Amino acid sequence: QKEVEQNSGPLSVPEGAIASLNCTYSDRVSQSFFWYRQYSGKSPELIMSIYSNGDKEDGRFTAQLNKASQYVSLLIRDSQPSDSATYLCAVYTGGFKTIFGAGTRLFVKA
Amino acid sequence: EAQVTQNPRYLITVTGKKLTVTCSQNMNHEYMSWYRQDPGLGLRQIYYSMNVEVTDKGDVPEGYKVSRKEKRNFPLILESPSPNQTSLYFCASSPGASGGYTFGSGTRLTVV
Repeated sequence: QKEVEQNSGPLSVPEGAIASLNCTYSDRVSQSFFWYRQYSGKSPELIMSIYSNGDKEDGRFTAQLNKASQYVSLLIRDSQPSDSATYLCAVYTGGFKTIFGAGTRLFVKA
Repeated sequence: EAQVTQNPRYLITVTGKKLTVTCSQNMNHEYMSWYRQDPGLGLRQIYYSMNVEVTDKGDVPEGYKVSRKEKRNFPLILESPSPNQTSLYFCASSPGASGGYTFGSGTRLTVV
């Protein structure tokens, strides 16, 4: 069974700090990796995608991928209260399927 | 505006009464998928479609049917709903299977 694991949290950080969200996956041949943000009562929204080892930055967000360790992370710099949400890690494993982790709840305290 | 439109947003029904949740996208995406979201279990894939008339099972297909007669539409059918199908359902689309999804706004289904 292919799996994507995330710490459910909640992760609580003060405003202005760096929030670090982590995800591990079981299938070594996974090809594409995504982070979604889901506000309470809303649908998931794609915020980052990463396909190769290393870092990818987009504004305050940085995605990091280490395929050897089967590990992907999301860093949120200068965290704001509006970043409080559940963050979903998703992995495209091939075979037309994307598997989601259960999500990490993030609280940013003002 | 590029979007995935799901209807209805909320639905309460009784066990065994057939229902359809509609999904339509206006982005000309090839790939569409249905997920259900349950507390602690995350998003689990029900069915997906790679193109018109091409569909396949995801991880939790039991009790569900889909069809893809037109590129933009991908309805989810529950022929005989049961209480264990009470969940939050999301339709999603992407240009291809390996890309990031655009999600619909969700359908909260309660089967009593």
